[in-house]
Amino acid sequence: ILNVEQSPQSLHVQEGDSTNFTCSFPSSNFYALHWYRWETAKSPEALFVMTLNGDEKKKGRISATLNTKEGYSYLYIKGSQPEDSATYLCAFRRAGGTSYGKLTFGQGTILTVHP
Amino acid sequence: DAGITQSPRYKITETGRQVTLMCHQTWSHSYMFWYRQDLGHGLRLIYYSAAADITDKGEVPDGYVVSRSKTENFPLTLESATRSQTSVYFCASRGQGQISGNTIYFGEGSWLTVV
Repeated sequence: ILNVEQSPQSLHVQEGDSTNFTCSFPSSNFYALHWYRWETAKSPEALFVMTLNGDEKKKGRISATLNTKEGYSYLYIKGSQPEDSATYLCAFRRAGGTSYGKLTFGQGTILTVHP
Repeated sequence: DAGITQSPRYKITETGRQVTLMCHQTWSHSYMFWYRQDLGHGLRLIYYSAAADITDKGEVPDGYVVSRSKTENFPLTLESATRSQTSVYFCASRGQGQISGNTIYFGEGSWLTVV
């Protein structure tokens, strides 16, 4: 069983604060690291798919970095807004074999942004 | 573009009953997945399928059965529902190839309560 860990489990911030979360994953047999944003009662929404060591991706106020050698990724949110409140999931995709692109998910970080 | 749809969205059933959750995608994606989401566990893979008539177990397959007679449909059946199967179930799919194969798309979830 692959170990994908996210921290912190939950986070409360004030509107306007910048914040970041961590995802750690196995550093061997790396294929891709996915970030999803999930609001209750909706489908998880893909934010980023990162495949190369040193990758940095940005989408509006949200950005992510990737270090495959040490097995971690950071997700940053600049100037958090109440609408950023959601669960942020990372997922690891292993290379090779018969993995069929299966994703192994972390347990998620629940972000609450207070107005 | 209809995407990926799940039904029912919400279901309450009794212990011991058989329940089938339906998943339908309109993209002709080869790969389809069933995940369950439980507090503290993130998303855990139940079953996956690489193509019609090809299915395999994921991390938590016990108590579930799947079939894939057509590419677009991937139903999940709980043969004899138990309270521990109360969860939110997500169906997902992805295409093939370097670009389209990298993103997994999720349905909106099926909320199942077993009483």
